[in-house]
Amino acid sequence: EVQLVESGGVVVQPGGSLRLSCAASGFTFDDYAMHWVRQAPGKGLEWVSLISWDGGSTYYADSVKGRFTISRDNSKNSLYLQMNSLRAEDTALYYCAKGCGVVIPSAICDWGQGILVTVSS
Amino acid sequence: DIVMTQTPLSLSVTPGQPASISCKSGQSLLHSDGKTYLYWYLQKPGQPPHLLIYEVSKRFSGVPDRFSGSGSGTDFTLKISRVEAEDVGVYYCMQAIQLPLTFGGGTKVEIK
Repeated sequence: EVQLVESGGVVVQPGGSLRLSCAASGFTFDDYAMHWVRQAPGKGLEWVSLISWDGGSTYYADSVKGRFTISRDNSKNSLYLQMNSLRAEDTALYYCAKGCGVVIPSAICDWGQGILVTVSS
Repeated sequence: DIVMTQTPLSLSVTPGQPASISCKSGQSLLHSDGKTYLYWYLQKPGQPPHLLIYEVSKRFSGVPDRFSGSGSGTDFTLKISRVEAEDVGVYYCMQAIQLPLTFGGGTKVEIK
């Protein structure tokens, strides 16, 4: 069974930084691209970032480009999202999501439970 | 970016009756590899989304056969043949032919 467990969510001030982590299990982690997707309170889904199976290629939504960095450690079956220069509009539930394969772009086949990030003074 | 437009915004359905949701994309989702990269997700209340349908019409593992997807090019439909109480939530379509991945605005399905 695929399991994706996010951690690291807190309340942070505007301009601050945060690192989200996602622990993956139940599948061969380095066989899949991985995503971060977010959902602002009461709103729809917004794709944030994608990383290739080997970490060699990364992609970002325009709204986070230059501020967020996605990375992965295949030896630890873990996915990360470094979030800098946070803004109020980054407040959302952040989902770690498993791609459907190794090909880029990759759709999303499985989702974590999500972790709440609140940017507020 | 590819804009995904879903209709209706919400749907109230009597249990046992059918339901249909439309999704239109701003450009064709047919790839040169012959596949069409259109997906449907259901987000039940208080839960993360989960995959129902991939590549227009293929049911994901464990998805009941009352769910079906159809369409081509830019016009797609998700149908529920007989709605059950457990089908309530928000349905999203998503395209994965190019980045950024984009989602429709969602269709909220409620039970009458």
